Amino acid sequence: KAGVTQTPRYLIKTRGQQVTLSCSPISGHRSVSWYQQTPGQGLQFLFEYFSETQRNKGNFPGRFSGRQFSNSRSEMNVSTLELGDSALYLCASSLEVTGSYEQYFGPGTRLTVT
Amino acid sequence: AQKVTQAQTEISVVEKEDVTLDCVYETRDTTYYLFWYKQPPSGELVFLIRRNSFDEQNEISGRYSWNFQKSTSSFNFTITASQVVDSAVYFCALSGLTDSWGKLQFGAGTQVVVTP
Repeated sequence: KAGVTQTPRYLIKTRGQQVTLSCSPISGHRSVSWYQQTPGQGLQFLFEYFSETQRNKGNFPGRFSGRQFSNSRSEMNVSTLELGDSALYLCASSLEVTGSYEQYFGPGTRLTVT
Repeated sequence: AQKVTQAQTEISVVEKEDVTLDCVYETRDTTYYLFWYKQPPSGELVFLIRRNSFDEQNEISGRYSWNFQKSTSSFNFTITASQVVDSAVYFCALSGLTDSWGKLQFGAGTQVVVTP
């Protein structure tokens, strides 16, 4: 079974621009979660989607948004990029949504904002 | 609020030594789940183990073993006979039933360095 895939793997953007990251979950997984990883803040939960609905959201500003499609693929968007948005963005998929099942992570998208 | 504390920032060992990683958690949920993940230099988080709060039995899986003690809210992880390939950052994570949809609360991670 193919794992979680994320595109692109690397991205360089300028302050003020917007960016869209994509995630394809493991086949059969309907829950997709997004995390931001930075050296200072560690791994922080952004949001989770299940059946095209956002079920949970972390403490991030409204510039961070996402969506999920009917095939469970998910995208996250960051508008008006700031230098502090430079991070590794990780997507994870899971069979179940209540947290009782493990999440499987993709390789991440490393975003650099200049 | 849920919280996971990994007090050890970095552990350095010589190959074949055992490595024990500490994890202390806080949660108000009576049912919760604990996980260990490994993040090698490539960046991808790799799932290692999961434990349910209602099952305190400790197990061994290959070179990995874990010690779950509800009384002290600890979920420690041991790598036996470490190898160079074990060099990575290891994260302890917690998921409860409150506000848990798809959310893992991670600790800060422990960098393990195994030298030949």
